[in-house]
Amino acid sequence: GEDVEQSLFLSVREGDSSVINCTYTDSSSTYLYWYKQEPGAGLQLLTYIFSNMDMKQDQRLTVLLNKKDKHLSLRIADTQTGDSAIYFCAESFLNDYKLSFGAGTTVTVRA
Amino acid sequence: DAGVTQSPTHLIKTRGQQVTLRCSPKSGHDTVSWYQQALGQGPQFIFQYYEEEERQRGNFPDRFSGHQFPNYSSELNVNALLLGDSALYLCASSFSGAKNIQYFGAGTRLSVL
Repeated sequence: GEDVEQSLFLSVREGDSSVINCTYTDSSSTYLYWYKQEPGAGLQLLTYIFSNMDMKQDQRLTVLLNKKDKHLSLRIADTQTGDSAIYFCAESFLNDYKLSFGAGTTVTVRA
Repeated sequence: DAGVTQSPTHLIKTRGQQVTLRCSPKSGHDTVSWYQQALGQGPQFIFQYYEEEERQRGNFPDRFSGHQFPNYSSELNVNALLLGDSALYLCASSFSGAKNIQYFGAGTRLSVL
């Protein structure tokens, strides 16, 4: 089955790194995704990683995948006030078209 | 290049009414998925349309139905609205050859009174 879990809140100081964590229970995931949702808005795709990869870096974003522990993380370097948002982890499976989302982590960036 | 567009942005209905939400996919995309996001939760998959057919459905009652048009745009219809249908309805589009990378619109906020 599919079950994605995330911690609910993260507070980080401006300029520090943020690390948002996600665990999933189904090892047959094919892709794992990170989306960002600002207040009153839709979801913005930040990045995704194929399940046979360990790491992916894209500018300030680094995704780490630990398949053994079924753990996915998103690191945001030099966190800015514009990074305050809800971050969702999601997974998809072979021959399955839906994305399964976690409940989201609310990231608050303080000055 | 326009992204995924949804209309209307907000909608207020009363219990028992019917509603139609609309979605235009991103240019080059041929697949549309619909999600329901209740307050404080992650999006839940309703269904996906490809080649004008419902390809996969989530755990939603038959009151939720949809359609895809030849230009790939899509509609979500909800009949006999319940208070619990109040949510943000998100449309996502993707290209069938792109390994399920879905791009979302800004959503339609539906309030049922």
